[in-house]
Amino acid sequence: DAKTTQPNSMESNEEEPVHLPCNHSTISGTDYIHWYRQLPSQGPEYVIHGLTSNVNNRMASLAIAEDRKSSTLILHRATLRDAAVYYCILSGRDDKIIFGKGTRLHILP
Amino acid sequence: EAGVTQSPTHLIKTRGQQATLRCSPISGHTSVYWYQQALGLGLQFLLWYDEGEERNRGNFPPRFSGRQFPNYSSELNVNALELEDSALYLCASSLQGFVPSGANVLTFGAGSRLTVL
Repeated sequence: DAKTTQPNSMESNEEEPVHLPCNHSTISGTDYIHWYRQLPSQGPEYVIHGLTSNVNNRMASLAIAEDRKSSTLILHRATLRDAAVYYCILSGRDDKIIFGKGTRLHILP
Repeated sequence: EAGVTQSPTHLIKTRGQQATLRCSPISGHTSVYWYQQALGLGLQFLLWYDEGEERNRGNFPPRFSGRQFPNYSSELNVNALELEDSALYLCASSLQGFVPSGANVLTFGAGSRLTVL
């Protein structure tokens, strides 16, 4: 069973920042928070991951709450190519990586 | 560098038949994961193989099975096919052992679409 909760869908305007929330209240101390996205007709692709501290890479930023029970994926400037389903997942010791239903992000031109 | 490759791209079978799907991981990756994605749904975890052994399994019946070969490629077998087995089957690979468990990043293939008539 998925251990994360995400909104079913979100909309954002092109060239504006997007904040995608994720709740994971049952996270354990050794669970990493990962984000993947799935563009139409493709397999999922890795976006970013972190454990406790906020993380930045060329694709996005990951903001992790101090109690680690929630996190936010930040796309700094959304483009039409960012329209996808975004999955927030927890990965722990058993590496049984469970995906939830994700958030479908719509980008409005 | 070649990514994760899956074959066949599409497969059509009838109820009761068997399907075999294949996955070649990224060179150097020792772990292979299999997921099922039915139309419009999220990814359902099927199997995880590492170093030739089954490490974990999702909530699927025993007619879903697989194996990992010495070259780390993997095969997923689905016996006694049912209509609801129609789905996109995704394979992912990762590099185990060099990062803490939980930090492993998955690289996915494009998937094999299985249609059961």
